[in-house]
Amino acid sequence: EVQLVESGGGLVQPGGSLRLSCAASGFIFSRYWMHWVRQAPGKGLVWVSRINLDGSTTNYAESVKGRFTISRDNAKNTLYLQMSSLRAEDTAVYYCARGPGYVNLWGQGTLVTVSS
Amino acid sequence: QSVLTQPPSVSGAPGQRVTISCTGSSSNIGAGYDVHWYQQVPGTAPKLLIYGNSNRPSGVPDRFSGSKSGTSASLAITGLQAEDEADYYCQLDDSSLRGLLFGGGTKLTVL
Repeated sequence: EVQLVESGGGLVQPGGSLRLSCAASGFIFSRYWMHWVRQAPGKGLVWVSRINLDGSTTNYAESVKGRFTISRDNAKNTLYLQMSSLRAEDTAVYYCARGPGYVNLWGQGTLVTVSS
Repeated sequence: QSVLTQPPSVSGAPGQRVTISCTGSSSNIGAGYDVHWYQQVPGTAPKLLIYGNSNRPSGVPDRFSGSKSGTSASLAITGLQAEDEADYYCQLDDSSLRGLLFGGGTKLTVL
């Protein structure tokens, strides 16, 4: 089955760190750009970051630049998002998404809550 | 506020036709960027509905159609059904942002 499964979400204090993972299966992971997209409670979709096929090119939304790092391990078919200096406004469901210019496969999402 | 503007809500009765607009500018939609559409039932992940302005992925009913003109794009839904009640988002790949740009979303209510 073609799918993306996120993990690693949870409750973290402001200023803390968290690493999200996204396990891909059922397709050739290394052939796709990948994205992270988030959705705050009751709000719309917001793009966070993307990475190219071999991980050599990454882009970030201004709101997370310098705090989040996207990476991938093609041997493990896994996408990552390392998040640091977390703020309350980072609270959201984080979706792993298969690109490049639009998303034709989404994960189920993992909830990140930043609160003391 | 998103650079891609969508109406916050639209509604229609079963069987009717509704349209959802996505208004951009000469620097995005008007510059030729493709527009894509997603459907999101609350509590679930989004689903690709239309890609490349007017193309439907396999499995999407032909009741859903997309178009683009000038600095705007539209999603039309004909033969409205109760199951169409969801949030709808437009999106494009913004070269200046070097990432995906989403509209603010439109909540469709089936009366």
